[in-house]
Amino acid sequence: GAVVSQHPSRVICKSGTSVKIECRSLDFQATTMFWYRQFPKKSLMLMATSNEGSKATYEQGVEKDKFLINHASLTLSTLTVTSAHPEDSSFYICSARGGGPGGSQPQHFGDGTRLSIL
Amino acid sequence: GQQLNQSPQSMFIQEGEDVSMNCTSSSIFNTWLWYKQDPGEGPVLLIALYKAGELTSNGRLTAQFGITRKDSFLNISASIPSDVGIYFCAGRVIGSSNTGKLIFGQGTTLQVKP
Repeated sequence: GAVVSQHPSRVICKSGTSVKIECRSLDFQATTMFWYRQFPKKSLMLMATSNEGSKATYEQGVEKDKFLINHASLTLSTLTVTSAHPEDSSFYICSARGGGPGGSQPQHFGDGTRLSIL
Repeated sequence: GQQLNQSPQSMFIQEGEDVSMNCTSSSIFNTWLWYKQDPGEGPVLLIALYKAGELTSNGRLTAQFGITRKDSFLNISASIPSDVGIYFCAGRVIGSSNTGKLIFGQGTTLQVKP
């Protein structure tokens, strides 16, 4: 089945550091990638949608200058948390979707990145 | 905005029992997906439903896309300990053009007693 790789799986860093998270589709071309944030025992909250070669679309309330998204190729998207602070600590998950009519292909998820800001 | 109401929030059952969970919405979706998430991992797709009324099975799992396109259920038969986890329904937003944006339910936490 479709495989999405997310790296790193865990990051612990000091406040003020910028952290980059990578999301790769390993066996299919991902025309669209999504970035989610998940709090403990809560559902997934969509942060932004990115299409290859274009600017990401951010959900309401998500700071685009804080969470920089780049989708430079059909197999790679990156999320950079700039100047991270303790309140940015969370579980970040990416997903990828291949091409298909009207976005009908399901999303496949990476294994998430546990970000802890000290 | 669009929301999905997923129930029950949690279940604690005996091994071998059948499980049923469902999602409802006031909005229409054109795709329903069911995912399972284990602790510290990303969600894994279990079943995808694309047509109203569609009934699809994947091993011991069965899911249906409601006729009104506003609801879906997931059944697990003869539960086993490895079924433990959080189950999420997700509906694909109408009018999301080619992005395939999803709305997720709140999740159902399943615990199975051996």
